[in-house]
Amino acid sequence: EAGVAQSPRYKIIEKRQSVAFWCNPISGHATLYWYQQILGQGPKLLIQFQNNGVVDDSQLPKDRFSAERLKGVDSTLKIQPAKLEDSAVYLCASSLNQDLLGTFGSGTRLTVV
Amino acid sequence: AQTVTQSQPEMSVQEAETVTLSCTYDTSESDYYLFWYKQPPSRQMILVIRQEAYKQQNATENRFSVNFQKAAKSFSLKISDSQLGDAAMYFCAYRSNTGTASKLTFGTGTRLQVTL
Repeated sequence: EAGVAQSPRYKIIEKRQSVAFWCNPISGHATLYWYQQILGQGPKLLIQFQNNGVVDDSQLPKDRFSAERLKGVDSTLKIQPAKLEDSAVYLCASSLNQDLLGTFGSGTRLTVV
Repeated sequence: AQTVTQSQPEMSVQEAETVTLSCTYDTSESDYYLFWYKQPPSRQMILVIRQEAYKQQNATENRFSVNFQKAAKSFSLKISDSQLGDAAMYFCAYRSNTGTASKLTFGTGTRLQVTL
């Protein structure tokens, strides 16, 4: 089966600009996760979707970050405006349901200058 | 809240030798899972091995095995017969098995170098 697809692979923006990342989960996977991985740290969950509903967004900085999964399939994560500390790899993962372990994509590396 | 600690930022092992990566965690729950993930330069997180907390027997997957000490909240990974392809970042992770929470909580990782 095809894996979790993410784009773009790399993105460089200036601070205060906006940026969006896209994730296409494995077909049929109801649960989708976005993780933020800052250099030198392990991934940290930003938001978890079950179909198109939010299960957990407790660690999402809602003043600048937003995410949606309108049709319960693809998802986008947006940052507006970006700060230097948002430089990180953004990983998407999906699973059939929230009881199962997710499969990760290769992430988007964001650099904010 | 659960925390995961990896105290070894970097480890090195010679090819064909054995290496052990350490992990400790803190939780008040009794039902949970522990995992080791490998992250090569491609950035994709790859599951290496999992352990269910209620199982006393240590998990093994080919050259990979764990030493799970529930009372001590310790979960180390042993890699036997190390290969060049094992070089990567290794992350220890925790997942609760109670309620609807299914997120992974990761440690800070250990970079493993494999030398000839």
